[in-house]
Amino acid sequence: GQNIDQPTEMTATEGAIVQINCTYQTSGFNGLFWYQQHAGEAPTFLSYNVLDGLEEKGRFSSFLSRSKGYSYLLLKELQMKDSASYLCAVMDSNYQLIWGAGTKLIIKP
Amino acid sequence: ETGVTQTPRHLVMGMTNKKSLKCEQHLGHNAMYWYKQSAKKPLELMFVYSLEERVENNSVPSRFSPECPNSSHLFLHLHTLQPEDSALYLCASSQYLGEQNEQFFGPGTRLTVL
Repeated sequence: GQNIDQPTEMTATEGAIVQINCTYQTSGFNGLFWYQQHAGEAPTFLSYNVLDGLEEKGRFSSFLSRSKGYSYLLLKELQMKDSASYLCAVMDSNYQLIWGAGTKLIIKP
Repeated sequence: ETGVTQTPRHLVMGMTNKKSLKCEQHLGHNAMYWYKQSAKKPLELMFVYSLEERVENNSVPSRFSPECPNSSHLFLHLHTLQPEDSALYLCASSQYLGEQNEQFFGPGTRLTVL
């Protein structure tokens, strides 16, 4: 079967760095996406990885290892507004997104 | 504002009612999606349309009926729903159905079935 695993909840301190991990087992792989979802709002796109390595975009970076079925999202210089759920999703061989349940990130002052 | 709108934002209905959810995208995209989001569960893909043709129906009960009259509009018709169908229903669109096509989401319709 297809499976995406990520921690349910994480807590971090304002100004710190946090890494959110995602492991996956899917039928085919056409890229991995990270989305941010604030409570009561729509998910918004953060990053896309299809090749191994690190993609950096401002305070956010995303890493992919296809051989390990593993990705992480790295958030630096955390701000209170980063409190949200972070969703990992893999595009399978049919170009459908398979989603993880999301990681709720709580930022404390 | 993502360019994808959904109405209504909130809906309360009885099990015998018939209602419809509407989604409109202003991005010129060719693929549209319906998702169900329940608390602490992964997003569940319900339906996918590409160029107004349905390409995916993930074993969704027949009490949910999608309609895509053109590439900008998507509807989800609801009838004789069950309380367990209460959830957030999200519409999304992407430029094409294929790799590297990020999906843009609407704000969702919060559905409560009594």
